[in-house]
Amino acid sequence: GAGVSQSPSNKVTEKGKDVELRCDPISGHTALYWYRQSLGQGLEFLIYFQGNSAPDKSGLPSDRFSAERTGGSVSTLTIQRTQQEDSAVYLCASSLVVKNTEAFFGQGTRLTVV
Amino acid sequence: SQQGEEDPQALSIQEGENATMNCSYKTSINNLQWYRQNSGRGLVHLILIRSNEREKHSGRLRVTLDTSKKSSSLLITASRAADTASYFCARITNQAGTALIFGKGTTLSVSS
Repeated sequence: GAGVSQSPSNKVTEKGKDVELRCDPISGHTALYWYRQSLGQGLEFLIYFQGNSAPDKSGLPSDRFSAERTGGSVSTLTIQRTQQEDSAVYLCASSLVVKNTEAFFGQGTRLTVV
Repeated sequence: SQQGEEDPQALSIQEGENATMNCSYKTSINNLQWYRQNSGRGLVHLILIRSNEREKHSGRLRVTLDTSKKSSSLLITASRAADTASYFCARITNQAGTALIFGKGTTLSVSS
């Protein structure tokens, strides 16, 4: 596709359930980022990928959060045993390379844990 | 925290006025970028300034970078109601393997 695609756009889940969020970056982009944004707040960095490897996982809030990227393309962010505080918009972005190039964002997945 | 600080947190101006937003950071950078966000969803890239540049222009946008003070500013001239949005600075440090890190943003309201 022409832009970064995220699915689903909205997800409501029950506390304790696992969820998977998907990000399809722009073709050819080697860098892929995941961020979390709570209402009215800034972007909290979660993890980024350079190709299939994740040089920086420092932003993952707990071991309930994990992410993978396969084939240097699609990435999934998995949240296990969801909690209400996980409710937020999860944003994905990709860029051609890490340095000196702009990042293109998807429209995000709004996760609501009830 | 890796996040820098943006100020002000919120800014309200009239159409036609200029809006200035500031961003400070803590570690040396490779480049600094400004993004805009409408309605709490995807961000749109506005401008990128490299660490060896001091000023950059794009249309009504002017960005300055002072690496000695570890700060940047975004100036929007002759603002319009359509400029109402949240504005974020983001930076890549020189440390290998680091990601694009965002500040907390400035919410700009332009009234007509």
